[in-house]
Amino acid sequence: EIVLTQSPATLSLSPGERATLSCRASQSVSSYLAWYQQKPGQAPRLLIYDASNRATGIPARFSGSGSGTDFTLTISSLEPEDFAVYYCQQRSNWPTFGPGTKVDIK
Amino acid sequence: QVQLQESGPGLVKPSGTLSLTCAVSGGSISSSNWWSWVRQPPGKGLEWIGEIYHSGSTNYNPSLKSRVTISVDKSKNQFSLKLSSVTAADTAVYYCARGYYYGSGSYRRNWFDPWGQGTLVTVSS
Repeated sequence: EIVLTQSPATLSLSPGERATLSCRASQSVSSYLAWYQQKPGQAPRLLIYDASNRATGIPARFSGSGSGTDFTLTISSLEPEDFAVYYCQQRSNWPTFGPGTKVDIK
Repeated sequence: QVQLQESGPGLVKPSGTLSLTCAVSGGSISSSNWWSWVRQPPGKGLEWIGEIYHSGSTNYNPSLKSRVTISVDKSKNQFSLKLSSVTAADTAVYYCARGYYYGSGSYRRNWFDPWGQGTLVTVSS
């Protein structure tokens, strides 16, 4: 089973700042990694698939990069609605999710 | 656009069976997608439960496989989850989601979009 770790666990930033979230896989997943955003009381929303492709309707301030075992989700300039929990997800034999990074307001 | 809606009892007794249905609207369950169940215990992360294709083919999380059954009803455009022998550890928000899944080798493309709103199932006597 491939294990995903995310860092930091919590990221405290102000609106307008740049957010950089990390996801590391215990072994290579090539470029097949997805990112989701989840706000309190809501379902997860797909942001990025295949490491760097934005899902339909996702603003350009969200970008993904990486391959192999190290991946990054970048939010170029935080909007008030971006404060949420972010999960990465991969599939080797079955889908697994990282533990999440909470982006909160500083 | 495709929308998913979970339904089912919000309270299940320990040792009983959890049963949920996910209704798909705005698209066909017979499309080239896999249909998944994912759960999230209160305050915790996401756990994939399993998936089904319209043909009836299924894949399950090995940690839950002995207790899970996922089925599809193409006539009603919906799919269902049954989880048996539940305990308090099965208390969670249960989501259904459309899965995109390609590949069969070492590397597999997979993501979930969209998701249902989720339904809280509590296991308690």
